[in-house]
Amino acid sequence: GAVVSQHPSRVICKSGTSVKIECRSLDFQATTMFWYRQFPKQSLMLMATSNEGSKATYEQGVEKDKFLINHASLTLSTLTVTSAHPEDSSFYICSAERTGLAEQFFGPGTRLTVL
Amino acid sequence: AQSVTQLGSHVSVSEGALVLLRCNYSSSVPPYLFWYVQYPNQGLQLLLKYTSAATLVKGINGFEAEFKKSETSFHLTKPSAHMSDAAEYFCAVSDPNDMRFGAGTRLTVKP
Repeated sequence: GAVVSQHPSRVICKSGTSVKIECRSLDFQATTMFWYRQFPKQSLMLMATSNEGSKATYEQGVEKDKFLINHASLTLSTLTVTSAHPEDSSFYICSAERTGLAEQFFGPGTRLTVL
Repeated sequence: AQSVTQLGSHVSVSEGALVLLRCNYSSSVPPYLFWYVQYPNQGLQLLLKYTSAATLVKGINGFEAEFKKSETSFHLTKPSAHMSDAAEYFCAVSDPNDMRFGAGTRLTVKP
């Protein structure tokens, strides 16, 4: 199978601090990774698409300077929430697209709580 | 642009009863279609997927879905619900680099 991990699974931080979330494809290479945000009892909303070695493509309404995405290798993408505020509290889920397959494999998610 | 509509944000069935979760899609190209299950505070687990092979797709945990092009539907079914099936279910449509999710359907299973 194709396994995607996220770290940390839960994080609580103070308002104004920055938080980094890692997404790793453990047993395959992922040219493309995706970051989603999910509010309670709602569906997943795509935030951005990241391709290894290039800048991420952000969905409309997502602040690229607030949500920094780095996809430095074929197995790792990071999402940094800068100067986090309580309204950034959410469940963040990443996925990785296995090169050559039209399918995304999802990480277990990261619960961010900003106090 | 592609989109997914899940009819019914909440479905409740009795244990042992048929489960039917509805999904209709819109896509300008032949779609890839997916059903995912999400348990509380967890990520998404793939139940099954349609990628232009057989129209009746069997997945894990006894679920299956049928792709009906004429109806633009991909409804999820299970003959007999178990208590452990209680979860949130998402239908998704993908044109490889663009996956869109439905709003989700919460399945409740009554004893």
